[in-house]
Amino acid sequence: GAVVSQHPSWVICKSGTSVKIECRSLDFQATTMFWYRQFPKQSLMLMATSNEGSKATYEQGVEKDKFLINHASLTLSTLTVTSAHPEDSSFYICSAMVGGVAKNIQYFGAGTRLSVL
Amino acid sequence: AQKVTQAQTEISVVEKEDVTLDCVYETRDTTYYLFWYKQPPSGELVFLIRRNSFDEQNEISGRYSWNFQKSTSSFNFTITASQVVDSAVYFCALSEGGTGANNLFFGTGTRLTVIP
Repeated sequence: GAVVSQHPSWVICKSGTSVKIECRSLDFQATTMFWYRQFPKQSLMLMATSNEGSKATYEQGVEKDKFLINHASLTLSTLTVTSAHPEDSSFYICSAMVGGVAKNIQYFGAGTRLSVL
Repeated sequence: AQKVTQAQTEISVVEKEDVTLDCVYETRDTTYYLFWYKQPPSGELVFLIRRNSFDEQNEISGRYSWNFQKSTSSFNFTITASQVVDSAVYFCALSEGGTGANNLFFGTGTRLTVIP
């Protein structure tokens, strides 16, 4: 199956700092990647859709200046949480969409647990 | 508007029992895709199955089986002879449109605990 790597798996940072999370498709190219946020014992909420070579599409209520998304290559998308605050503490998980025979199935990374002190 | 409902928040079964996880969806689209994902304690979501709205055939994969019924807008998932490794949160999801390339709308998940 398709493999998506997400790094780091866990990050603790001080309030006011910025944190970058990477999402890589290891064995396939992904023109589209997605970023989700998951609160404890809750479902995944889509934050934004990341398309290679173009600006990300953000869901309503998601601050694009706070959650910067860059999809510079077909195998890498990054999410930067700028000036993080304790309320940004959450589990962030990315997915990459596979084309071809297994068309349009999202494969997910292992997630990044962000704790802002 | 689209909606996915997983009414069972938590289920506990004893190992080797069968268990069915319910999923009911709402959509105005005539073409759509339904998915099941498994989220073990490690956190990553593992893809289990995708089914399009025109294919109502039930599917079996080992101990897993899925029952898709458009008449009741349900896409239920059954695990036969459950094992401890099946313990996880299971999410049902909906993607509207004919390609499955659109956003996934997730249900709230069902936490399954298999007791040895």
